[in-house]
Amino acid sequence: GAVVSQHPSWVICKSGTSVKIECRSLDFQATTMFWYRQFPKQSLMLMATSNEGSKATYEQGVEKDKFLINHASLTLSTLTVTSAHPEDSSFYICSARLGAREKLFFGSGTQLSVL
Amino acid sequence: LAKTTQPISMDSYEGQEVNITCSHNNIATNDYITWYQQFPSQGPRFIIQGYKTKVTNEVASLFIPADRKSSTLSLPRVSLSDTAVYYCLVGGFTGGGNKLTFGTGTQLKVEL
Repeated sequence: GAVVSQHPSWVICKSGTSVKIECRSLDFQATTMFWYRQFPKQSLMLMATSNEGSKATYEQGVEKDKFLINHASLTLSTLTVTSAHPEDSSFYICSARLGAREKLFFGSGTQLSVL
Repeated sequence: LAKTTQPISMDSYEGQEVNITCSHNNIATNDYITWYQQFPSQGPRFIIQGYKTKVTNEVASLFIPADRKSSTLSLPRVSLSDTAVYYCLVGGFTGGGNKLTFGTGTQLKVEL
């Protein structure tokens, strides 16, 4: 099946620093990728839709200047959490859509802890 | 976007068949129904997808009635390793800008 690689798996950073998370589709091209955020024992919350070669579409309430998304190629999307604060600590997950049937394949997730 | 409703949790024992039902009353004509499984601290994993009637693969079956307003994921002979959260998603390709949102999911707990 299709593979989506997400790195890093976990990251600890100091408050005020920026963290970049990479999401790669390894064996298929993904014109659209999605970024989710998940708090403990809660469902995934869609943050933004990343479209190759164009600006990302952010969900209501998600600060685009804080969560920078870049989708420069058909196999790579990045999420940068700028000036991270403890409240940004969460599990971040990316996904890529394969084909027209809304079949999504997910990365393994990144646990971000901001001290 | 079609909203989905699932039971919050279910309990079962090893070897039993588990059926998880999802309601999606406002499903659109071009929407597919997809189920995902998620273990703690991992990304969701695709289980099965269908449009109507019945779909079966090596791990599960998906039953969809004619009106498509609900669907049932069937897991045959569950084991402890099937303990996870199961999400039902409904969506279809609309030419761009489409997205899938997750509902609450169903926490399945399998015991000996």
